[in-house]
Amino acid sequence: DAGVTQSPTHLIKTRGQHVTLRCSPISGHKSVSWYQQVLGQGPQFIFQYYEKEERGRGNFPDRFSARQFPNYSSELNVNALLLGDSALYLCASSYRTASQISNYRYTFGSGTRLTVV
Amino acid sequence: AQSVTQPDIHITVSEGASLELRCNYSYGATPYLFWYVQSPGQGLQLLLKYFSGDTLVQGIKGFEAEFKRSQSSFNLRKPSVHWSDAAEYFCAVVNPNTGNQFYFGTGTSLTVIP
Repeated sequence: DAGVTQSPTHLIKTRGQHVTLRCSPISGHKSVSWYQQVLGQGPQFIFQYYEKEERGRGNFPDRFSARQFPNYSSELNVNALLLGDSALYLCASSYRTASQISNYRYTFGSGTRLTVV
Repeated sequence: AQSVTQPDIHITVSEGASLELRCNYSYGATPYLFWYVQSPGQGLQLLLKYFSGDTLVQGIKGFEAEFKRSQSSFNLRKPSVHWSDAAEYFCAVVNPNTGNQFYFGTGTSLTVIP
């Protein structure tokens, strides 16, 4: 199986710009979650999508949005970038929602390193 | 609300020595518990998980963890550390009822010296 694929791997943006990060889940996985990992911290939950619907949202401003496509891939969008948005953005996919986690296979991608200057 | 505490920011051990990384969680019942490892610039790799049952769980790479309900702890152990174990280790919990998100600790950085 191919793993969770994230693109791009690195990018540099300027304050105030917009960015789109992409995630392709493992084949057959229908749920995608996004996490932000600031340097020196653990990952923090941003969104979860399942079957193209938002199933969970973390404590992030409205500048952060996401969507899931019919092929279960996902995009994370961040508007009006701030220096504090610099982080590693991780995508994780699972077969079902985590409420069925006992059947769990929850796999993280290698992330997109976003630097805002 | 759920939370995870990893009291040790950084640990240094000698190769071949034993290792224990501490994890304490805050949750009203028993959450699902996980340990992940992250090498520099990489994503997270699952080491082991606990849902229910036997409180001592075995994982990959020779790691094990013990769930202690009375102490709200889920400490990670390895009897003999290898240089390749140097990495960042994260403990995480999930609410079994909602299961929508992982709550991660701040991580413990492990350095292995020859």
